[in-house]
Amino acid sequence: GAVVSQHPSWVICKSGTSVKIECRSLDFQATTMFWYRQFPKQSLMLMATSNEGSKATYEQGVEKDKFLINHASLTLSTLTVTSAHPEDSSFYICSARQSFLGKLFFGSGTQLSVL
Amino acid sequence: QKEVEQDPGPLSVPEGAIVSLNCTYSNSAFQYFMWYRQYSRKGPELLMYTYSSGNKEDGRFTAQVDKSSKYISLFIRDSQPSDSATYLCAMSSNTGNQFYFGTGTSLTVIP
Repeated sequence: GAVVSQHPSWVICKSGTSVKIECRSLDFQATTMFWYRQFPKQSLMLMATSNEGSKATYEQGVEKDKFLINHASLTLSTLTVTSAHPEDSSFYICSARQSFLGKLFFGSGTQLSVL
Repeated sequence: QKEVEQDPGPLSVPEGAIVSLNCTYSNSAFQYFMWYRQYSRKGPELLMYTYSSGNKEDGRFTAQVDKSSKYISLFIRDSQPSDSATYLCAMSSNTGNQFYFGTGTSLTVIP
């Protein structure tokens, strides 16, 4: 199957710093990528939908100035958690849609811990 | 009413059992149906993909879609301890760019 690469898989940072997470579709072009947050033993929570070359669409309650999303190419989207605080600690997952088939592939996830 | 309903379980079965996982949905426009397996602290892995109705088989896994009943199923034959994970159903329509997920069913296969 198609591969979506997400880095880093684990990051620990100090409160107040910014963290960037990368999501790459390795063998297909993804006009649309999605970012999720997941708490332990809970389902995926969609944060935003990102379309290549345009501004991301954020879900209600997600601060767009806190979670900056850039989708500058058909294979790369980034999520930057700005001025991270302990409450931002979570598991973040990206996914990419294989456009012509409608399949959705996920990255391996990033565990963010803010001290 | 949620777009997609999935029994969260947990479901516990002995090794070798046949497992049946199900989701129901309300939107008749859904055409793409997927099942994912997610291990703890990992991203979901696409197991099965079906377009429109019908059955699809891949090794020990069989996916069924019944659009008339708005019901999809995933069957796991000869279940193994390594199948212990959370299983998510997902679906989307031809138009639009949204995917709808079930809440996931937690499965444990006991050796």
